[in-house]
Amino acid sequence: DAKTTQPNSMESNEEEPVHLPCNHSTISGTDYIHWYRQLPSQGPEYVIHGLTSNVNNRMASLAIAEDRKSSTLILHRATLRDAAVYYCILRASGGYQKVTFGTGTKLQVIP
Amino acid sequence: NAGVTQTPKFQVLKTGQSMTLQCAQDMNHEYMSWYRQDPGMGLRLIHYSVGAGITDQGEVPNGYNVSRSTTEDFPLRLLSAAPSQTSVYFCASSSQMDTQYFGPGTRLTVL
Repeated sequence: DAKTTQPNSMESNEEEPVHLPCNHSTISGTDYIHWYRQLPSQGPEYVIHGLTSNVNNRMASLAIAEDRKSSTLILHRATLRDAAVYYCILRASGGYQKVTFGTGTKLQVIP
Repeated sequence: NAGVTQTPKFQVLKTGQSMTLQCAQDMNHEYMSWYRQDPGMGLRLIHYSVGAGITDQGEVPNGYNVSRSTTEDFPLRLLSAAPSQTSVYFCASSSQMDTQYFGPGTRLTVL
């Protein structure tokens, strides 16, 4: 399985943008890049996913490098409610895919 | 919609006891999974199901059994609880579109 690498932790000031990086140098052509986040004492929740092009939704933006070996989750204005562990995972399309959740990046938002 | 529900929220067992963690989803998803999360760790896949009557092992299946008699329900059985099974257990469901929806978790302590 292709693996991802993320920093263990990051800090951001409230109301400032946050860029959370993820490296996935062994990504295959059929792997989608998914981001989930886990708020304290809750289950993970889906944030965004993409294949090649940059993606936007109401929660965040996903910027994917041209060679697809890295990606960045962008929170445009961090709030205290965005403090969570963010997981970057790879998942091929079609059928059930076993997914590996690493330890993710713990984001601390400073008021 | 309730989404993915898990019961109980908390459970304390003595070593050797058995119990069943319940998981139900109301989104008509084909795929369901059980994960465990130990302190400071990512999620590890225990068992999964791609449809009613079909289950398979994940990364850490030993000590756990599953069955899937209906699309909605995917219970996880601990046959003889051990302290090493102290963890938070998350159930998730997904459709072929790949986004996983997680339940709120069951926090299990085995004494």
